[in-house]
Amino acid sequence: DSGVTQTPKHLITATGQRVTLRCSPRSGDLSVYWYQQSLDQGLQFLIQYYNGEERAKGNILERFSAQQFPDLHSELNLSSLELGDSALYFCASSALTGGHGYTFGSGTRLTVV
Amino acid sequence: LAKTTQPISMDSYEGQEVNITCSHNNIATNDYITWYQQFPSQGPRFIIQGYKTKVTNEVASLFIPADRKSSTLSLPRVSLSDTAVYYCLVGSYNQGGKLIFGQGTELSVKP
Repeated sequence: DSGVTQTPKHLITATGQRVTLRCSPRSGDLSVYWYQQSLDQGLQFLIQYYNGEERAKGNILERFSAQQFPDLHSELNLSSLELGDSALYFCASSALTGGHGYTFGSGTRLTVV
Repeated sequence: LAKTTQPISMDSYEGQEVNITCSHNNIATNDYITWYQQFPSQGPRFIIQGYKTKVTNEVASLFIPADRKSSTLSLPRVSLSDTAVYYCLVGSYNQGGKLIFGQGTELSVKP
């Protein structure tokens, strides 16, 4: 157990639908990062939050959004889902904005059918 | 963030030492070198990090020459369970903090 909790572990949904992925960071970590990993794209950085505020943005689609709540957990919302959104979605956390010691969760496997 | 180049794949046998080299010609003064390991369908796991010379922990060693334009991850006496993808990352992590992963090196350990 890495200390970063992601739910659900698996999610199967239809095209056009909307889903929410949840991440609880390791205790004490203020930064949360979201990554998407598909077979043909590798690990792609989506977005980072630090203590509730958006800190950095990567290749995140407009159909995707995220937020970090006061208790520091984060949610990644994916809407108008397409087949190509099928991937593993990882959350990571770290103690500082940047710094060292990133811890990844075990991921959510999203399958869009 | 400095770009990294590493071999796409490597093969080894159990009990051998494996060295994976990463090139990072444009590394900046404040950049650290970090290696992550990823098993299929699992999140990446931190292995080792260094700035210069040599760093060793219970899992691996990291060798960094004086010019810091490359680094070598050394895994002693690998086992089948070391079969994974290994990523080399370079960054100062003081500005934004996001980790940018390259394609990684897929290590296959055979019996």
